[in-house]
Amino acid sequence: QKEVEQDPGPLSVPEGAIVSLNCTYSNSAFQYFMWYRQYSRKGPELLMYTYSSGNKEDGRFTAQVDKSSKYISLFIRDSQPSDSATYLCAMGAKGGSSNTGKLIFGQGTTLQVKP
Amino acid sequence: DTGVSQDPRHKITKRGQNVTFRCDPISEHNRLYWYRQTLGQGPEFLTYFQNEAQLEKSRLLSDRFSAERPKGSFSTLEIQRTEQGDSAMYLCASSLTGLAGAFGEQYFGPGTRLTVT
Repeated sequence: QKEVEQDPGPLSVPEGAIVSLNCTYSNSAFQYFMWYRQYSRKGPELLMYTYSSGNKEDGRFTAQVDKSSKYISLFIRDSQPSDSATYLCAMGAKGGSSNTGKLIFGQGTTLQVKP
Repeated sequence: DTGVSQDPRHKITKRGQNVTFRCDPISEHNRLYWYRQTLGQGPEFLTYFQNEAQLEKSRLLSDRFSAERPKGSFSTLEIQRTEQGDSAMYLCASSLTGLAGAFGEQYFGPGTRLTVT
């Protein structure tokens, strides 16, 4: 079983829809949660960064973390065709003085927003 | 643009040849990471540097792989005797991480796509 599970999709929605992307994880040591957007043949772009549980909002994007359920979500409001990309969740554990900062990624969900 | 840069963007090589990739991180960032991404998968951690010191290497990093970060600035990743299984996107990321162990945000470069024929 992978440490981080993410449905690869593809997910297809009409323009203007609310998109919900999710990841589950098994390692209770994860405390840092990120969402990246990756366009085809490009590097990942950091969208959201959250620490521990709770919500964080940035424009049309909202990230939610539920550590008790080991479940994180990314919501995109008023989705646009330009949001069509692969969305990667990533997680990290703080290891005290030996904290590496390495990220464990999900497989990525491919999103298509149709005009 | 002062983001992470990588060179070359695309490399085609024949099996058995050596290749070297370069990464220039964001200038004030003290940590530099290398990841590998294959088609349809998320990036996988390979190794990281805190300034010039290489502090962790993944089991994915076989003896044919070596990475350096001289003077704590740019980094190089070399693959010797390339194999077809090495074909992937090699991503570099950098972050600013304090001594308190805070988990800095990692910013990725555009990647180097390696094709081994």
